[in-house]
Amino acid sequence: KAGVTQTPRYLIKTRGQQVTLSCSPISGHRSVSWYQQTPGQGLQFLFEYFSETQRNKGNFPGRFSGRQFSNSRSEMNVSTLELGDSALYLCASSLSPPNTGYTFGSGTRLTVV
Amino acid sequence: QQQVKQSPQSLIVQKGGIPIINCAYENTAFDYFPWYQQFPGKGPALLIAIRPDVSEKKEGRFTISFNKSAKQFSLHIMDSQPGDSATYFCAASIGGNQFYFGTGTSLTVIP
Repeated sequence: KAGVTQTPRYLIKTRGQQVTLSCSPISGHRSVSWYQQTPGQGLQFLFEYFSETQRNKGNFPGRFSGRQFSNSRSEMNVSTLELGDSALYLCASSLSPPNTGYTFGSGTRLTVV
Repeated sequence: QQQVKQSPQSLIVQKGGIPIINCAYENTAFDYFPWYQQFPGKGPALLIAIRPDVSEKKEGRFTISFNKSAKQFSLHIMDSQPGDSATYFCAASIGGNQFYFGTGTSLTVIP
């Protein structure tokens, strides 16, 4: 059974650019959540999607957005990148809310220069 | 504002020792408290979880102790092994929705 797949694994972008990250959940999982992981802040919740609808949203600026497709795959987009956006972005999937059985992907390491 | 406070930041123990990682929270509405283990280059993996109506839960060598009145919970790793060397995160959520994570504890188990 394939796990949560995140692409790309590594990304280097220039300040001001925008970036799109992709997440394919475990087959059958319909809930997808995104987290930002940094050494100082740990994991911080970005947003959660279920059945193509955003259910919850964390305290991040509007430059961070996401969406979910009918096959449960999800993308997150960060516009006008800032140096502080450099982080590991993790996607987690579960069958459905409540998300007590999260499975995380290995993440996308984004570096903004 | 950190909703879940985790300590210590790092921990070194000898093989066979019992490392203890502590977490504290303020929001009494939290009703689900998982622990995650993360190895370098990998995403966090669910280790064990507890709900506030239980004071202790054991799964293999991992034990969660939960003190509802003190709003604290801790992870104990019995007979620790070098393979347990990883970063551990506690978390809390309301109804399995948005999760609030601690800042992590880097554990090193020396052979």
